[in-house]
Amino acid sequence: GAVVSQHPSWVICKSGTSVKIECRSLDFQATTMFWYRQFPKQSLMLMATSNEGSKATYEQGVEKDKFLINHASLTLSTLTVTSAHPEDSSFYICSAREGGGVLATFGPGTRLTVL
Amino acid sequence: GDSVTQMEGPVTLSEEAFLTINCTYTATGYPSLFWYVQYPGEGLQLLLKATKADDKGSNKGFEATYRKETTSFHLEKGSVQVSDSAVYFCALSDRTSGTYKYIFGTGTRLKVLA
Repeated sequence: GAVVSQHPSWVICKSGTSVKIECRSLDFQATTMFWYRQFPKQSLMLMATSNEGSKATYEQGVEKDKFLINHASLTLSTLTVTSAHPEDSSFYICSAREGGGVLATFGPGTRLTVL
Repeated sequence: GDSVTQMEGPVTLSEEAFLTINCTYTATGYPSLFWYVQYPGEGLQLLLKATKADDKGSNKGFEATYRKETTSFHLEKGSVQVSDSAVYFCALSDRTSGTYKYIFGTGTRLKVLA
């Protein structure tokens, strides 16, 4: 079945640094990828939707200059948290959808801790 | 806009008890409906899905029926096990938006006691 991986699975960084998280579809071409964040014991909040080769569409309230999303190929999307601060600490989850299908496959998530 | 409402948790049950987790939705189009399960420290796993009215999704003893008339997709299991302890998320994906983005409910934490 469809598999989505994320790297790294966890990361700890100092305040003010930037962190890049990768999301890869391993056995299918993902025309659309989604990025979510999840605070402890809360639901998933959609941050942005990205289509391969075009700019990401951000949800209301998400700072596009802080959360940079690049969907450079049909198998890779990256989320860069720029100038990270402790309030950006969260669980970031990506999902990927193959063109024409309704089902999106979710990655295992990346836990970001900003000190 | 589209939304999903789930019953508040946590839900605590004894092993072999019957489980129901309520989920209702609001959507302008014709959404597909999903239940996902999340174990501690892990990502989401698809539990079951239904893509049109009256469809029943089932997996691992869990079932949910897409009820258009009541805009509901309640999750049920006849006999829960300790290993079912997790957080369950109801979600919809509406193709009307063109991107099929998922909207999640708040999640319901289930704890099953031996």
